[in-house]
Amino acid sequence: DADVTQTPRNRITKTGKRIMLECSQTKGHDRMYWYRQDPGLGLRLIYYSFDVKDINKGEISDGYSVSRQAQAKFSLSLESAIPNQTALYFCATSVGDRQYYSTGELFFGEGSRLTVL
Amino acid sequence: GNSVTQMEGPVTLSEEAFLTINCTYTATGYPSLFWYVQYPGEGLQLLLKATKADDKGSNKGFEATYRKETTSFHLEKGSVQVSDSAVYFCALSEINAGGTSYGKLTFGQGTILTVHP
Repeated sequence: DADVTQTPRNRITKTGKRIMLECSQTKGHDRMYWYRQDPGLGLRLIYYSFDVKDINKGEISDGYSVSRQAQAKFSLSLESAIPNQTALYFCATSVGDRQYYSTGELFFGEGSRLTVL
Repeated sequence: GNSVTQMEGPVTLSEEAFLTINCTYTATGYPSLFWYVQYPGEGLQLLLKATKADDKGSNKGFEATYRKETTSFHLEKGSVQVSDSAVYFCALSEINAGGTSYGKLTFGQGTILTVHP
């Protein structure tokens, strides 16, 4: 089984619908991230969380919200989906050996492909 | 802010050809630098990294050297294989004033590599 699991892997929805993407991890890492991948734009950070009570906006957080339900679970929500949110979404984790230090290596899930019609 | 620029793709090579994928960056301070690889249908995985100037990261026959004077981290491989066909991402890790990383990565746009037999 994958260490970082995303559900659903594929989802097609309509404009205005609420969508939740879920991420769970068995790596025991404190830090979790949501990235969005668009062709030609690389990956852009949506939200990140360093522990259950520490959630931060990334560079493209507008239109998204997150919930860190437990150390191992980090969900991304689109309250009212729009077509330009069609993308491949990745959850990632990393470990920190001091409170605000990380080696920088991220461990990624396999991605959730979202299509908004 | 931080940014990463990769050479335009896609790149198509014959097996056993030499590979170079250029990567340059803009950052304050001295970031850590990474190359990630994404195989078809999978998430990203770390290929190699370098944390300070003149460091050379290497893995699976790939190499990249952290060049502070040219703000570059070019990826090279002497003889590519069909199995190297993937998308390659250059990334940097933000370093704060205290010299530690928050573990947030800034990615380049990705370079698609296709290797033919």
